[in-house]
Amino acid sequence: DVKVTQSSRYLVKRTGEKVFLECVQDMDHENMFWYRQDPGLGLRLIYFSYDVKMKEKGDIPEGYSVSREKKERFSLILESASTNQTSMYLCASSSQGLGANEQFFGPGTRLTVL
Amino acid sequence: AQSVTQPDIHITVSEGASLELRCNYSYGATPYLFWYVQSPGQGLQLLLKYFSGDTLVQGIKGFEAEFKRSQSSFNLRKPSVHWSDAAEYFCAVGPLSNFGNEKLTFGTGTRLTIIP
Repeated sequence: DVKVTQSSRYLVKRTGEKVFLECVQDMDHENMFWYRQDPGLGLRLIYFSYDVKMKEKGDIPEGYSVSREKKERFSLILESASTNQTSMYLCASSSQGLGANEQFFGPGTRLTVL
Repeated sequence: AQSVTQPDIHITVSEGASLELRCNYSYGATPYLFWYVQSPGQGLQLLLKYFSGDTLVQGIKGFEAEFKRSQSSFNLRKPSVHWSDAAEYFCAVGPLSNFGNEKLTFGTGTRLTIIP
């Protein structure tokens, strides 16, 4: 069974803290994605990666960075957490090749920044 | 730029009734279309997808969707809903890429409530 796992389901951090959200996939997928999900706004893409050490900005990259040192792992970093980064964060992965854009999602991390 | 519109934020349906969730997309070429479902507190699960062939696509859990190019629509349907179908539903569009390394654009979602 294919799997995308995220390090935490719930996380509470304080303003100004550095926050790491980890995502691991076991499907040998080349592509990995980080989204944030907010009520009424749907899913918004923060960053994505096509390959190890490669990253591309999504629609809302400000305040975030990412790291992909290994193919199976994609980390989202909040350098200095702020209250407006309180949200649900979803990681996804997909393979490459024609017609292969289906994304597989992890269960999400609900982050609260106080 | 590609975009997806789900005009209904919230829909309430009686158990056993039929369901149609609307999705309109904007994309310049042949799109790759998806419907995902998100149960409370969970990640997204793929219901069905379309990228070529028969415009009526069957998915899991008894769902189907019809691609209508002339209307730029990809509406999701189910003939008889069950209480377990209560969830949020997302439509997504992406390019039919030769490389499969393109990003998807998601709609804002439709929350489905089922009443007894």
